[in-house]
Amino acid sequence: NAGVTQTPKFQVLKTGQSMTLQCAQDMNHEYMSWYRQDPGMGLRLIHYSVGAGITDQGEVPNGYNVSRSTTEDFPLRLLSAAPSQTSVYFCASSYRETGHYGYTFGSGTRLTVV
Amino acid sequence: GDSVTQMEGPVTLSEEAFLTINCTYTATGYPSLFWYVQYPGEGLQLLLKATKADDKGSNKGFEATYRKETTSFHLEKGSVQVSDSAVYFCALTGNQFYFGTGTSLTVIP
Repeated sequence: NAGVTQTPKFQVLKTGQSMTLQCAQDMNHEYMSWYRQDPGMGLRLIHYSVGAGITDQGEVPNGYNVSRSTTEDFPLRLLSAAPSQTSVYFCASSYRETGHYGYTFGSGTRLTVV
Repeated sequence: GDSVTQMEGPVTLSEEAFLTINCTYTATGYPSLFWYVQYPGEGLQLLLKATKADDKGSNKGFEATYRKETTSFHLEKGSVQVSDSAVYFCALTGNQFYFGTGTSLTVIP
């Protein structure tokens, strides 16, 4: 099925560990983004990309890195995990940055940092 | 800057009750407006959208009308079901995509 695929679905990390959250889409969307969802705060944009080789920071980029070497993939790297990064992470893609066609979301990665 | 404000939750309704979730926005230009729904343990799914003033988006019995004069996009449903229990997000797109904080709806039998 076409869509956005995120892996893993669940992850527990120890403080200081690093890991990569994977995101892949097969809809040839130019725009991809990462959000984190925390209770009472809605969705906050971490990083986004308007095309292969182009990335930019969102509202809460500290502690995260991204790269976009292909149109399909947009991995999110946690450099040194902290308890404040415990959250649910969503990857989303869209045909265009402005999202007038709407965003397609992955099913999320629930991350716990202990 | 652009922003979306939606009513605080949680909202609890009995089955077959009427639902309204308020959403107002601030934007320069002419944004498109959206409602997304998130069922427990899942990602967000597009519920409906409207791309210009006076447009009405509708899907699965839900409706919302793009009101430029009141800068609103309230979500309504005439008769809710238990299966409508979820978190609902209002969103707009202008130069970027902006989400409201979400409204949790629980429908009890």
